[in-house]
Amino acid sequence: GAGVSQTPSNKVTEKGKYVELRCDPISGHTALYWYRQSLGQGPEFLIYFQGTGAADDSGLPNDRFFAVRPEGSVSTLKIQRTERGDSAVYLCASSLQAGAADTQYFGPGTRLTVL
Amino acid sequence: GENVEQHPSTLSVQEGDSAVIKCTYSDSASNYFPWYKQELGKRPQLIIDIRSNVGEKKDQRIAVTLNKTAKHFSLHITETQPEDSAVYFCAASKNDYKLSFGAGTTVTVRA
Repeated sequence: GAGVSQTPSNKVTEKGKYVELRCDPISGHTALYWYRQSLGQGPEFLIYFQGTGAADDSGLPNDRFFAVRPEGSVSTLKIQRTERGDSAVYLCASSLQAGAADTQYFGPGTRLTVL
Repeated sequence: GENVEQHPSTLSVQEGDSAVIKCTYSDSASNYFPWYKQELGKRPQLIIDIRSNVGEKKDQRIAVTLNKTAKHFSLHITETQPEDSAVYFCAASKNDYKLSFGAGTTVTVRA
């Protein structure tokens, strides 16, 4: 079946602009995660959704970052007033259940470049 | 929060030899330890995982060992092949959803 998909694959924006990154999880997966991967580093946890609600957003760096999952499927990561330090690959993952250490399946990521 | 350290950062092995990657974690409450393989420009993919009630797990040429007392776990790849070349990440979790990743090991298998 189809895996996790993310759009766009690449996003170039200017400092101060607003961006939205989209994630389509595997159908039927109730848990969804966002991670950020900087060059040469492992993914860093941002936020975790259980259904429609954000169960843990402790990894969001500041209030410029926000994520939603209104219908419990597709999720959007929103970044306001982008800064050059936001440049990274943003990875989305989904798993069948929440809180059960089910395998997290990653999407291909969105490479964000802030000029 | 959880801190995961991974060594070495790079590893070059001759085809057919074994590769070993080691990780340590800081939070003794961690109970789930997955390993992901990431090829250049691709998504991370789970290759094996282990839970804290198991000391060792094997899947064909890949094995993972866990030492809870020492808070470290290792990935072993035997009979390495060129397609094993990739970046490998270890991770730890204490709450079954938030993965804390190591910085990664770039493995190069020389033909």
